[in-house]
Amino acid sequence: GAGVSQSPSNKVTEKGKDVELRCDPISGHTALYWYRQSLGQGLEFLIYFQGNSAPDKSGLPSDRFSAERTGGSVSTLTIQRTQQEDSAVYLCASSADRASYNEQFFGPGTRLTVL
Amino acid sequence: AQRVTQPEKLLSVFKGAPVELKCNYSYSGSPELFWYVQYSRQRLQLLLRHISRESIKGFTADLNKGETSFHLKKPFAQEEDSAMYYCALKSSTGGFKTIFGAGTRLFVKA
Repeated sequence: GAGVSQSPSNKVTEKGKDVELRCDPISGHTALYWYRQSLGQGLEFLIYFQGNSAPDKSGLPSDRFSAERTGGSVSTLTIQRTQQEDSAVYLCASSADRASYNEQFFGPGTRLTVL
Repeated sequence: AQRVTQPEKLLSVFKGAPVELKCNYSYSGSPELFWYVQYSRQRLQLLLRHISRESIKGFTADLNKGETSFHLKKPFAQEEDSAMYYCALKSSTGGFKTIFGAGTRLFVKA
């Protein structure tokens, strides 16, 4: 079966533009996570979805960041008015459910570069 | 505050030598601890979790609640172990947030 997929794999944009990053989780996985990985940093938690709802948005760095999930499947992370400090690799992961011990399966990431 | 600390950014050992990647955590509740690994040009993937008390690819990790540590160990390092290793923490009581450490790059020399 297919793993987690993300698109685009690379995105170069100009400061001030909006970008949308897409994540397709493993079929049947109800939990979906977004992380950001900046150069030399660990993974920074952004947001979590259980089904279509996002019980924990605490990691979103500013109100320029938003995410949604429709049909309990595909998720989109939107960054408005991008800034250079938004440049990073954005990773998506999914797991079978929200149980704490469940493995998260990661996508290949989207490398975002803001010029 | 919840925190995962991996004090070493880079760890270089010779093939056949023992290796220990350190992980310390700060968490007020009862955590679940994980080690994830990312090999060159591959996705981040789970290596092991403390609840399973398993040994994967010769690696083990023991949760020490007294020292709040979850160090990853292997008695004899192999070249194919060279990778980026991340320690991660998640609440065991229904929290969703997963906190990752900054990672340790392990380089095993021939």
